[in-house]
Amino acid sequence: QSALTQPPSASGSPGQSVTISCTGTSSDVGDNNYVSWYQQHPGKAPKLMIYEVNKRPSGVPDRFSGSKSGNTASLTVSGLQAEDEADYYCSSHAGSNKLVFGGGTKLTVL
Amino acid sequence: QLQLQESGPGLVKPSETLSLTCIVSGDSVNRGPHYWGWIRQPPGKGLEWIATIYYSGSTYYNPSLKSRVTISVDTSKNQFSLNLTSVTAADTAVYYCARVDLIVVTIDCWGQGTLVTVSS
Repeated sequence: QSALTQPPSASGSPGQSVTISCTGTSSDVGDNNYVSWYQQHPGKAPKLMIYEVNKRPSGVPDRFSGSKSGNTASLTVSGLQAEDEADYYCSSHAGSNKLVFGGGTKLTVL
Repeated sequence: QLQLQESGPGLVKPSETLSLTCIVSGDSVNRGPHYWGWIRQPPGKGLEWIATIYYSGSTYYNPSLKSRVTISVDTSKNQFSLNLTSVTAADTAVYYCARVDLIVVTIDCWGQGTLVTVSS
């Protein structure tokens, strides 16, 4: 089971939109709709932002949205705000009750 | 309110066994529809899923760690544990315990994490 592929970094100015990709295989991302996204600020535990590709837990702003096409999932952050600066990780169900994470993307708000 | 709290030594010697416990409050480990699991993050690196367990005792392991990992649940104490044998410096990481929603297969609650350093 290999890690999902994410770009190491992404950036945008306040108010802009940025999209982070997460590429897997037909055995994980492409196999199901159990893709999640987590936000992690320095020194903190990750926080769930998106689950089942495009669903937001209660309390997560609707500026955060998710999508998927084939083996690639994406997280879009619209109307960037300073507090969105963090590391973002995708995860996917990888069959047989296994989980796999992406390598993480550092989002910088310019 | 659900809370998960990791406990265990912060320093483990090479070749020894790393043992951590996660104390759960605000939910019961003795029912579905949740798994309970461990994830780790080496300093400056990404997240790595280690293992998950269901209250029935069913266990699931990362294939890359399976030969060294055991996850267990103690329903009487409402906690679950991780043992990682034959540790090396590569096992130095922040270890998080977590609750996994079985239905939507997502981690919906994380512990604060505990740093375990492997060093002599």
